[in-house]
Amino acid sequence: DAGVIQSPRHEVTEMGQEVTLRCKPISGHNSLFWYRQTMMRGLELLIYFNNNVPIDDSGMPEDRFSAKMPNASFSTLKIQPSEPRDSAVYFCASSWTSGGGNEQFFGPGTRLTVL
Amino acid sequence: AQSVTQPDIHITVSEGASLELRCNYSYGATPYLFWYVQSPGQGLQLLLKYFSGDTLVQGIKGFEAEFKRSQSSFNLRKPSVHWSDAAEYFCAVGAMGYSTLTFGKGTMLLVSP
Repeated sequence: DAGVIQSPRHEVTEMGQEVTLRCKPISGHNSLFWYRQTMMRGLELLIYFNNNVPIDDSGMPEDRFSAKMPNASFSTLKIQPSEPRDSAVYFCASSWTSGGGNEQFFGPGTRLTVL
Repeated sequence: AQSVTQPDIHITVSEGASLELRCNYSYGATPYLFWYVQSPGQGLQLLLKYFSGDTLVQGIKGFEAEFKRSQSSFNLRKPSVHWSDAAEYFCAVGAMGYSTLTFGKGTMLLVSP
């Protein structure tokens, strides 16, 4: 398996622009997670999906952030409009969750810079 | 609610020396415990995990960790550190019935020659 795939790997944009980050989870996994990593705040869970349904989006910082999972093999995280404080590395992870607590497999991340 | 504490932000170890990274968790029931490693510019990679059974867990790259319920700890160890082990290490806790993991803030390992 190719692992979790994220695109783009790097994104540089200007304040106010829309940004869309993409994720393809590992085939057969039923849970998908979006994280944000910064020096100041560490690794933060933004939202997670189970069987394509958003379960907990309490980590989404503002209404400017939205996430979708239209099918089991694709998810997007959108920021509109983007702001400099959104600059971070965004990770997507997936897992097979049956009874819960299973390990998550991380993608390589998207480094977002908002100027 | 679950929580994870990694008390050391940075640790410097000489190459060839032994390593122990500390992790303490807070959770009322039996936790699921994980150690991940993140090399610069990379995603997190699972080193090892504990769900149940033997409290000493072996992982990849020569790492091991020991679950101590009485101390609420899951410390990561390696007998001899290599320069390629320089990275950031994250401890995480999960639980039965929950899909999410709670991560510690990480420990940055520096390896000196």
